[in-house]
Amino acid sequence: SVLLYQKPNRDICQSGTSLKIQCVADSQVVSMFWYQQFQEQSLMLMATANEGSEATYESGFTKDKFPISRPNLTFSTLTVNNARPGDSSIYFCSSRGTGGYEQYFGPGTRLTVL
Amino acid sequence: GDSVTQTEGQVTVSESKSLIINCTYSATSIGYPNLFWYVRYPGEGLQLLLKVITAGQKGSSRGFEATYNKEATSFHLQKASVQESDSAVYYCALSDQGGSAKLIFGEGTKLTVSS
Repeated sequence: SVLLYQKPNRDICQSGTSLKIQCVADSQVVSMFWYQQFQEQSLMLMATANEGSEATYESGFTKDKFPISRPNLTFSTLTVNNARPGDSSIYFCSSRGTGGYEQYFGPGTRLTVL
Repeated sequence: GDSVTQTEGQVTVSESKSLIINCTYSATSIGYPNLFWYVRYPGEGLQLLLKVITAGQKGSSRGFEATYNKEATSFHLQKASVQESDSAVYYCALSDQGGSAKLIFGEGTKLTVSS
């Protein structure tokens, strides 16, 4: 399995500002994933990030709004640009364990945009 | 497209009673999906509960079990006797066996076990 840590656990920010969410894995992983979860809804995959290459975004998510960096095999950062109240949700990072089909998730970052 | 449906948003069960949480899936672009149940206990992160990658097989963990039924496209979660500590939100999910590992989640079922 893989242990993932996220920072911050929660954040409150004003509309129009940007904020960064960090994800750290306790071992090297090929791919990291970012998910968004609105209250009482399912998790939606935002993007897939591999080391040294541009993240691949799912429909409805863009690089300009949610830039993702993946500088090495244990770290990724999700930025929320020009935050709006509609971005208020929980953001999770995840990665796949070596040789397995399952994904392991970080504890999530609860974002509230005022 | 591919999707996962959990029909019950909330379920309340008395302690020691049996539980079934329904999950059906549609995998139009995925031939043989991997199927998962994840659980989120209050105040904690999302954890893998069990997985099954072969149709017809059953997965089990912590007294829960789920069978991959390809004909019915279902993956219902069952437990014979629930405990108060099982109160959590349960998510059914699928991924493509040969593809990107993208997970598609159901909307979750909040289980409350009453004493």
